[in-house]
Amino acid sequence: DIQMTQSPSSLSASVGDRVTITCRASQSIANYLNWYQQKPGKAPKVLIYSASSLQSGVPSRFSGSGSGTYFTLTISSLQPEDFATYYCHQTYYIPITFGQGTRLEIK
Amino acid sequence: EVQLVESGGGLVKPGGSLRLSCAASGFTFSDAWINWVRQAPGKGLEWVGRIKPKAAGGTLEYAAPVQDRFTISRDDSENTLYLQMNSLKIEDTALYYCAWFGVGGWGQGTLVTVSS
Repeated sequence: DIQMTQSPSSLSASVGDRVTITCRASQSIANYLNWYQQKPGKAPKVLIYSASSLQSGVPSRFSGSGSGTYFTLTISSLQPEDFATYYCHQTYYIPITFGQGTRLEIK
Repeated sequence: EVQLVESGGGLVKPGGSLRLSCAASGFTFSDAWINWVRQAPGKGLEWVGRIKPKAAGGTLEYAAPVQDRFTISRDDSENTLYLQMNSLKIEDTALYYCAWFGVGGWGQGTLVTVSS
């Protein structure tokens, strides 16, 4: 199975900070990588698909990059509503696998 | 607007069965690769399986922990996805989502609790 490793697992940051979360795949997955945001009690919401494409309606402060085995999600200026858990996941190989999540908390 | 609405969750004893449904609207369901994903309480996301559209062969693919116990099916005339779960185990307790990955969407989930 493809292992998706996110770092950090948790992160404390302040409103206005620039934050980057990384996701590494154990094998190349081309650009078959999506990023999700999940808030407590809610379903995951797609932010970025195909590694770098911004989902319609998602604020432009979110951006994604990478290909192969290394990917990043960057939030350029944290807003209060961005404090949540973020997941990457790959759809290149079966079984489809998710990262373990990065919990973004208010400092 | 893409909408996915799951139903059918509940409390079931170990070894029991349950069938979940996912009603889809707002997109061409028959063309979509649809997945089931679960999330155990306080844990991360785990892919359960998916079904391809009939035009792509209708192929079924499953995660190892549910292979041979769970069956995914679809009714394109009703825009509905199903998950038949048999021989349920305590570790199957989770919130089950149907999801159209990428530009698609996720439902709100339906809770399955396996307990004696």
